Amino acid sequence: AQSVTQLDSHVSVSEGTPVLLRCNYSSSYSPSLFWYVQHPNKGLQLLLKYTSAATLVKGINGFEAEFKKSETSFHLTKPSAHMSDAAEYFCVVGGGSNYKLTFGKGTLLTVNP
Amino acid sequence: DAGVIQSPRHEVTEMGQEVTLRCKPISGHNSLFWYRQTMMRGLELLIYFNNNVPIDDSGMPEDRFSAKMPNASFSTLKIQPSEPRDSAVYFCASSLTANSYGYTFGSGTRLTVV
Repeated sequence: AQSVTQLDSHVSVSEGTPVLLRCNYSSSYSPSLFWYVQHPNKGLQLLLKYTSAATLVKGINGFEAEFKKSETSFHLTKPSAHMSDAAEYFCVVGGGSNYKLTFGKGTLLTVNP
Repeated sequence: DAGVIQSPRHEVTEMGQEVTLRCKPISGHNSLFWYRQTMMRGLELLIYFNNNVPIDDSGMPEDRFSAKMPNASFSTLKIQPSEPRDSAVYFCASSLTANSYGYTFGSGTRLTVV
């Protein structure tokens, strides 16, 4: 069994300030973890993925996430927000022989000028 | 590669009509998924195909929904008859393997049933 909890439904930051989107997961086996981004009226785009290699994962557009097994967390960060980062972000867990990916409910990121 | 291609992008139909959504996965991907996204329920997996064979359709809401994958490059999701509560964005996604290395999503079909 697997589940994922995104701790904030909405995060608001100012342009140029750091971004932190929080995600906790639960999994019966060694998980694969992903972050997807969805811009308004668009499909979901893969930002980054963790599949048991390095615990600090770098993705596109300056985002990165750190896998912390002891905390069962996979938080998404970016040092400096850009207006184009405004979107909804989904934390996703999968892995093992389970083909299903389990999506979190999403975090809406607002970037203020 | 053009990615996962879905058509139409938008569909408005009257209650009771048949609706067919189409998907072309990435060439070489052997896993295909149909998802539905609504504000209330988020992203829900409807059905999963592996090598063109339906493996898990437990997420299909009811008999009004059906999905086919006649070959490796094409899949359809059909709703007959459609109801207003079917209004949602329907996404198709494909993956190289079924072992959760991430999916590539299409741009979705926004369905409105009036």
